[in-house]
Amino acid sequence: AQTVTQSQPEMSVQEAETVTLSCTYDTSESDYYLFWYKQPPSRQMILVIRQEAYKQQNATENRFSVNFQKAAKSFSLKISDSQLGDAAMYFCAYSPSGNTPLVFGKGTRLSVIA
Amino acid sequence: DAGITQSPRHKVTETGTPVTLRCHQTENHRYMYWYRQDPGHGLRLIHYSYGVKDTDKGEVSDGYSVSRSKTEDFLLTLESATSSQTSVYFCATRPSGGNTEAFFGQGTRLTVV
Repeated sequence: AQTVTQSQPEMSVQEAETVTLSCTYDTSESDYYLFWYKQPPSRQMILVIRQEAYKQQNATENRFSVNFQKAAKSFSLKISDSQLGDAAMYFCAYSPSGNTPLVFGKGTRLSVIA
Repeated sequence: DAGITQSPRHKVTETGTPVTLRCHQTENHRYMYWYRQDPGHGLRLIHYSYGVKDTDKGEVSDGYSVSRSKTEDFLLTLESATSSQTSVYFCATRPSGGNTEAFFGQGTRLTVV
């Protein structure tokens, strides 16, 4: 079974600084997709960024970018110029191609210090 | 935003009673999922559906059943609620598998006393 590991239960960052959240996954598949979701205190799950495993180029969405290392099965999220609104729980998720549901990590709670 | 509505949003129930949570979508997505979120466990899959009347178990399915008689509705039933089922329950949908993101409802906080 595929597993997703987020080794940092909690992280903190100063406002305007950069922080990196770690995620590793275990799979024997060669074709799959990876996602980062944000869950603010409102509890709503919001997609932050996605990465296709067949793409070597790292995905970027404004201040959010990933470092995807396929051989190492690592998918870290970098948040630049951190803002107070970035404070949330962040979940890494894995999805193989086909119909299999997303598998989530346990999450990393990010605090942003003013 | 995808139109996914969960009801109720909050519920307190007694041990041993049956409980049904409803997920309704207006997006005509094929796949629907029920996850539970607990501190230290992230989101864990309970059951999912890949079409009307087509469902399958997830990793924490014991004590839960589901039904999907229409594309838009996916029901989660706790046959006899236990305190260990106190959790936040999320419904999610996807238009297809693979690279498509999952869209989530607002969550239901269930407390079993």
